Amino acid sequence: KAGVTQTPRYLIKTRGQQVTLSCSPISGHRSVSWYQQTPGQGLQFLFEYFSETQRNKGNFPGRFSGRQFSNSRSEMNVSTLELGDSALYLCASRRGNENTEAFFGQGTRLTVV
Amino acid sequence: AQSVTQLGSHVSVSEGALVLLRCNYSSSVPPYLFWYVQYPNQGLQLLLKYTTGATLVKGINGFEAEFKKSETSFHLTKPSAHMSDAAEYFCAVSRPGTASKLTFGTGTRLQVTL
Repeated sequence: KAGVTQTPRYLIKTRGQQVTLSCSPISGHRSVSWYQQTPGQGLQFLFEYFSETQRNKGNFPGRFSGRQFSNSRSEMNVSTLELGDSALYLCASRRGNENTEAFFGQGTRLTVV
Repeated sequence: AQSVTQLGSHVSVSEGALVLLRCNYSSSVPPYLFWYVQYPNQGLQLLLKYTTGATLVKGINGFEAEFKKSETSFHLTKPSAHMSDAAEYFCAVSRPGTASKLTFGTGTRLQVTL
């Protein structure tokens, strides 16, 4: 059974650019959540998509957005990149039921220069 | 609001010694509690979780944790450390209704020495 796949694994962007990260969840999983991990702020919840709808949202500015497609694949977009956006972005997929386990991908390492 | 405090950003134990990683939580409703492990340049792997029922939870790789409501704690233990246990460990909390929204602690880096 394939795990959660995040692409690309590494990315270097320039300040002011925008970036799109992709996450393919485990087959049959309908929930995709995104997290940002930085040395200073730790792991922070960005948002969750379930059946193509944003179901929960963290406290990030509007430059951070996402979407989910009918096949449950999700993309996260960050516009007008700032140096502080440099982080490991993790995607987690869940079947969608309340108590089910979240499976994490290996992450996308974004460096903004 | 909910929060997690992990006491000790670095813990060092000898191989074969007891591992104890501390986690205290704050939640206004009965929480869901989790322990995750992260190896370098990897994502997070679930070690164990508590949602309801038995308060002593057994996980993978010989780890277990006990939910103590009176102490608002969910400490992670393993009787005998292995070199392969060296990693970063995160305690996390979520709540019914927003179970996907995990709030993580700051992590504890476990070092295992010979």
